[in-house]
Amino acid sequence: AQTVTQSQPEMSVQEAETVTLSCTYDTSENNYYLFWYKQPPSRQMILVIRQEAYKQQNATENRFSVNFQKAAKSFSLKISDSQLGDTAMYFCAYVYGGATNKLIFGTGTLLAVQP
Amino acid sequence: EPEVTQTPSHQVTQMGQEVILRCVPISNHLYFYWYRQILGQKVEFLVSFYNNEISEKSEIFDDQFSVERPDGSNFTLKIRSTKLEDSAMYFCASSDRTGGNEQYFGPGTRLTVT
Repeated sequence: AQTVTQSQPEMSVQEAETVTLSCTYDTSENNYYLFWYKQPPSRQMILVIRQEAYKQQNATENRFSVNFQKAAKSFSLKISDSQLGDTAMYFCAYVYGGATNKLIFGTGTLLAVQP
Repeated sequence: EPEVTQTPSHQVTQMGQEVILRCVPISNHLYFYWYRQILGQKVEFLVSFYNNEISEKSEIFDDQFSVERPDGSNFTLKIRSTKLEDSAMYFCASSDRTGGNEQYFGPGTRLTVT
């Protein structure tokens, strides 16, 4: 069964600094996708970034980038130039690339950006 | 920008009562989902729905749960006889395709069972 693990329950970073959130996953599939979702205090789930497993190039979205290590089954999120609005719970998620669309989430990392 | 909407934002009900949570997915999306997040825990998949039938469900989604698309726009989750442990945030999501396509989440309905 596929699992997603986030080993950092909470992290803190100073405004304008860089922070990296860790995620590992376990799967026997080759065709899958990985996501980072952000959940601010409003509880809305917002997609931050998406990575296709068949792509070697790491995905980037403005200040957000990932370090995807397929062999190690690692998918970390780097936030550069952290802003107060980045304060949120961050969830790593996996989905198999076949007919299912069931997202499997990790337990989340609560990120606090300090002024 | 199109978005998924959910009503109500907060529902309080007594144990044993039936509740219906409503969602309006993005209009051109074909795949619909319900997820649950118990306070302080991770988000868990409940069910996916396509072409007017359930395509996949988790072990959480037992006989007390049902989903329906009663018309061309709404997607509902019914909990027949609520239990205290059903208290959670319920998220609806939709996507235009399967596989790794983005699922767009609604703002959630907070269900409190007393």
